[in-house]
Amino acid sequence: DVKVTQSSRYLVKRTGEKVFLECVQDMDHENMFWYRQDPGLGLRLIYFSYDVKMKEKGDIPEGYSVSREKKERFSLILESASTNQTSMYLCAIGGQPQHFGDGTRLSIL
Amino acid sequence: GEDVEQSLFLSVREGDSSVINCTYTDSSSTYLYWYKQEPGAGLQLLTYIFSNMDMKQDQRLTVLLNKKDKHLSLRIADTQTGDSAIYFCAGGKGGSYIPTFGRGTSLIVHP
Repeated sequence: DVKVTQSSRYLVKRTGEKVFLECVQDMDHENMFWYRQDPGLGLRLIYFSYDVKMKEKGDIPEGYSVSREKKERFSLILESASTNQTSMYLCAIGGQPQHFGDGTRLSIL
Repeated sequence: GEDVEQSLFLSVREGDSSVINCTYTDSSSTYLYWYKQEPGAGLQLLTYIFSNMDMKQDQRLTVLLNKKDKHLSLRIADTQTGDSAIYFCAGGKGGSYIPTFGRGTSLIVHP
């Protein structure tokens, strides 16, 4: 079974904080993805990575960065959190198809 | 690029069949998927169909693909309250690892 683990299910942070969301996979897959999900907007791709130390911008990268130092771990970083980044964040791995973690519901106060 | 459209809501009675519809624009999509998202959880792959197929059945789930109309549907037979969730349609092309997702259809099953 594919296992994609996101470090937190729920997270509450304050405006201006630096926030790290972690994602770990056990499938040794090259491709990892970060999405955010908002009601009525579906899934929007933030960043993705095809290999270690490699990253590509998705559709909405502004305000975010990523880190992939090891193949199994892909981190999403909110450099200075703002209230409009309150959302559900989903990590995925794979290609055709993608497999998802359980998500992190992030609230920025 | 690809565009995938779904209706936002569907309400059915327990025991009835549910049909969730999806249209896509890119006729070169080679893979079409259905994902299920239960409240507070991530997306779970339910089933998929290749573009060279017309139909796929898996227990209570039937996927129909009409390539001419670029229309995909998911039928759930004998719908149960545990089927209440958001269902996402997604399409992808060979050589690309990034599918295009629809906005999701909320299925509400009431007794």
